[in-house]
Amino acid sequence: EPEVTQTPSHQVTQMGQEVILRCVPISNHLYFYWYRQILGQKVEFLVSFYNNEISEKSEIFDDQFSVERPDGSNFTLKIRSTKLEDSAMYFCASSGPSGVGYGYTFGSGTRLTVV
Amino acid sequence: AQSVTQLGSHVSVSEGALVLLRCNYSSSVPPYLFWYVQYPNQGLQLLLKYTTGATLVKGINGFEAEFKKSETSFHLTKPSAHMSDAAEYFCAVSRGSTLGRLYFGRGTQLTVWP
Repeated sequence: EPEVTQTPSHQVTQMGQEVILRCVPISNHLYFYWYRQILGQKVEFLVSFYNNEISEKSEIFDDQFSVERPDGSNFTLKIRSTKLEDSAMYFCASSGPSGVGYGYTFGSGTRLTVV
Repeated sequence: AQSVTQLGSHVSVSEGALVLLRCNYSSSVPPYLFWYVQYPNQGLQLLLKYTTGATLVKGINGFEAEFKKSETSFHLTKPSAHMSDAAEYFCAVSRGSTLGRLYFGRGTQLTVWP
């Protein structure tokens, strides 16, 4: 069964450093998303991406965050200057031609720890 | 606006007993509804979804859920719990558009006792 692949599975970074989280969505999917889950809290939407541009972003997704689909296969989330409160599990997801009704497929996540 | 309430952050059942995980939603438009399961140190796996049509939806691993518009509910059930069902379960709602973001509930941790 097709999978969404995320790398790395764990990342530890120092506060103020830039991090890039990488995702390879399912190949024929058209809609891409990032979510995060702070330990003990609910899964929160960050951003959706379609047709090479952001289609929606949440209040969490401020100027420190950016997304990119650099080569037609990868989908990345960049955090420019990490803060302690950015420590969370970050999930990438993608959905097919009919969008959310098709059902999202989530990756296994990247656990980001900011120290 | 969309929101999801999952009643009970922890549910414990005996193996073989009925599993009932409750989810109520609010939505300003006809919703799409989802249940996801998360095993320890893993990602979110889709159990089942409701978009349109039949209100009783069957998913993987013997789970099913019923969309009740009048009650704004989408409770998840399984007739007989198995030890392997122990995990965290998340209910989510979307606006029902192709680009819709998912709004998640806080999750329910299911424990299954032998």
